Amino acid sequence: GESVGLHLPTLSVQEGDNSIINCAYSNSASDYFIWYKQESGKGPQFIIDIRSNMDKRQGQRVTVLLNKTVKHLSLQIAATQPGDSAVYFCAENSGGSNYKLTFGKGTLLTVNP
Amino acid sequence: GAVVSQHPSWVICKSGTSVKIECRSLDFQATTMFWYRQFPKQSLMLMATSNEGSKATYEQGVEKDKFLINHASLTLSTLTVTSAHPEDSSFYICSTEKGLAGGFTENEQFFGPGTRLTVL
Repeated sequence: GESVGLHLPTLSVQEGDNSIINCAYSNSASDYFIWYKQESGKGPQFIIDIRSNMDKRQGQRVTVLLNKTVKHLSLQIAATQPGDSAVYFCAENSGGSNYKLTFGKGTLLTVNP
Repeated sequence: GAVVSQHPSWVICKSGTSVKIECRSLDFQATTMFWYRQFPKQSLMLMATSNEGSKATYEQGVEKDKFLINHASLTLSTLTVTSAHPEDSSFYICSTEKGLAGGFTENEQFFGPGTRLTVL
């Protein structure tokens, strides 16, 4: 299984700036990827997803980029707001009969007013 | 999005006791449910997959006799931590998949709010 460190990577930005959060995934067979936002003491909240037949998908203020060659995902948040402060996880699903998700380590995003 | 609830939201128990956590899908039939554990400042780790009406599938390293999972209906799954010890203190989160006609499910998982377990 994936090892998980005791210290989350952190990203600190100013309100209004754009944020980019990166994630390296492990399984080249994964065909579905999701970004989740988790606020302190709460469950993960779906942000955006992308399938492996795409390399970019846009939502409201968020964009996910997928580079299958290097097994890399990124989440871009435009005009970051204090309410965006949270831990962000990427998750991958390798398909099959059930959709088990493998979560990445997470990145703590802090937005300074 | 779908609504998934967990009960209790937090629980404190003495070492050696058992604790049951409920996960309910409030607005759709959940054919498959997943249980995760999350330690402080760490990621979510899948513990087990439960399918309605059949035995749960546990991930490697998760003791099935310690973490009992019951998925007796399409809207309720329970996780019982038996003989809890301080090292079991963690944030337990469930998620569900939405069941569709023909036995298919949607990709998206809907997460509950989590249950904070503290074992003294």
